[in-house]
This record gives sequence, C-alpha cells and structure tokens, in this order.
Amino acid sequence: SAVISQKPSRDICQRGTSLTIQCQVDSQVTMMFWYRQQPGQSLTLIATANQGSEATYESGFVIDKFPISRPNLTFSTLTVSNMSPEDSSIYLCSVADSSYEQYFGPGTRLTVT
Amino acid sequence: QKEVEQNSGPLSVPEGAIASLNCTYSDRGSQSFFWYRQYSGKSPELIMSIYSNGDKEDGRFTAQLNKASQYVSLLIRDSQPSDSATYLCAVKGSGNYQLIWGAGTKLIIKP
Repeated sequence: SAVISQKPSRDICQRGTSLTIQCQVDSQVTMMFWYRQQPGQSLTLIATANQGSEATYESGFVIDKFPISRPNLTFSTLTVSNMSPEDSSIYLCSVADSSYEQYFGPGTRLTVT
Repeated sequence: QKEVEQNSGPLSVPEGAIASLNCTYSDRGSQSFFWYRQYSGKSPELIMSIYSNGDKEDGRFTAQLNKASQYVSLLIRDSQPSDSATYLCAVKGSGNYQLIWGAGTKLIIKP
C-alpha cells in the first residue's frame, strides 16, 4: 500500500484565516480524496481531487471554502478558507487503488479559536 | 440515499472471546466491502476487504458477506485488549468509486 504523509500534523488557527494542508504520496495514484472527521464521528467526504482538473465536491462543501489543488499524481492540497470554530476537525487525505481500497494519511488536527 | 448502518456500541467483549461486528447497507448493487480499524487519535487502517459472498479469513479476522441480505460482518477471534478500537464498515456502491461509510462500532476488549 502507498505511504501517505500530511503536513501539518496539527495547527491552531484564528478565525478568519486560512490553512493549507498538504498530502504527499510515495507513488502515483489516480484517486485521491479529502475527508473531515469530527470527534467521535465517522468520515465525511469533502471532495475527490482529480489530477489536472477541478475537484469534485460533495453536497455541503464548496470550492470557495475548500479549494483543492492536484498538480500531479503524487500531491494534493486542501485549503480551509475564512475559518470559523465550526471548521475545527481532523482532515484526512486518502488514496484508492484499482480495487477501491482506500489508504489514509495520518491526518491534520485543526483547532480554530 | 445510499446508507451503511452499524451499531455504534460500545460493544464490550471479554479477552479471548469472539467479537462480532455487523454492518448493513442499502445499495443492492454494491460490489466491494471494507472493514477499517481506527484507534483513538489515529487515522483509519484497512484490515479486511471482501468482494464475494461467503467468508474470508486473515489471521484472527474473518469477514462474512451476504449480498442477498445486504449484510457484512467482521469476526475477531481470541480478542485482545489491543483490538479495542472503533471499527468502520465501508461499502463501494454501484456507480462511482467513492466509499460510503458507516458510523463505526466502538469495541472494548476487557482483560
């Protein structure tokens, strides 16, 4: 399985600011996803990051709030814009192989004050 | 709306016993089924995949799939305290490549 790293691992940010989370994979992957996980909750898919084209967002998530870049097959970024305390969460990137098994990065714990 | 249902628990099992975790799904066209383990403060880790009806065994873990009943389960034999975690069921439905996630079952193995 792919080795996935995320940066930063955690951050504390002030409301109104933006944070960009990086996801790096050690091999080329076609499918890459960004999730949010609130404490004690399951995973919520934010968007699918498509290489060379715009990300596909799930209901309730918009590009202006969560812009995503996918410049190549090993890297993606998720920006959380104009943050509010409700954005405090763990943000996870994952990649999928041809059998649809998904593998996750270690996550970014975001606290907005 | 495609759904995956799990009992949130907690499910408490004595050490050495069999832990049984269950999951039902609504999309009859689903083809791929996954169990993930998530320790507190960590990201989900894939432990089992199953694609066809029947049982699939991997060490102390057995995944069971019954597509007619739209039911998938995970059995953990000889449960250990280190198995204490939240177990997430995920299903790839018909159509796109995304996974639909259950809410997870918290498993507690008591020494």
